[in-house]
Amino acid sequence: GENVEQHPSTLSVQEGDSAVIKCTYSDSASNYFPWYKQELGKRPQLIIDIRSNVGEKKDQRIAVTLNKTAKHFSLHITETQPEDSAVYFCAAIPYNQGGKLIFGQGTELSVKP
Amino acid sequence: DSGVTQTPKHLITATGQRVTLRCSPRSGDLSVYWYQQSLDQGLQFLIQYYNGEERAKGNILERFSAQQFPDLHSELNLSSLELGDSALYFCASSAGQGVSNQPQHFGDGTRLSIL
Repeated sequence: GENVEQHPSTLSVQEGDSAVIKCTYSDSASNYFPWYKQELGKRPQLIIDIRSNVGEKKDQRIAVTLNKTAKHFSLHITETQPEDSAVYFCAAIPYNQGGKLIFGQGTELSVKP
Repeated sequence: DSGVTQTPKHLITATGQRVTLRCSPRSGDLSVYWYQQSLDQGLQFLIQYYNGEERAKGNILERFSAQQFPDLHSELNLSSLELGDSALYFCASSAGQGVSNQPQHFGDGTRLSIL
């Protein structure tokens, strides 16, 4: 079945720097890749997603890139702010398994002022 | 506010007991998903219902069951509870016909503590 690996597990950056989180997936037929942000004790919040027919998507300071050949996708956050501090999860939906989200292990991002 | 409502927010009970978690999806969403989040297992998919029918299943224990009612709300039943069942249980919902690539929006979760 689908397996999603996420790196790094922790990431510390200075305010204003960029942060990059990377994920790889195993099922080449997966076609939807969302990213969620989860603050402590709160729900996962969808921040951006990308479908397999697109290579890159941007939303203000956040961007996601997808390399289908290499089966990896990345989250890029520019001009980081302290409020970006949270755990970020990547996920993938395997082909023909309804909407089953397979999550990566999570990355704890800390933005230091 | 995601529009997905989960009750109760917290649940404390003992081993061997049975509990029911409830979820109301966003208005118009036909699919409901249940996820378990624990420290050692991360976010794990349990089960999906679409318009009352089971659509996909994860590694859900036999002691756990779920259903989606005609008004589209869903309930997750956990029985013969064990200490290891302590976790955050999230419900999510999405629009569309239960196919993949539809954004899923999460509720605030139910924190289950087994004593």
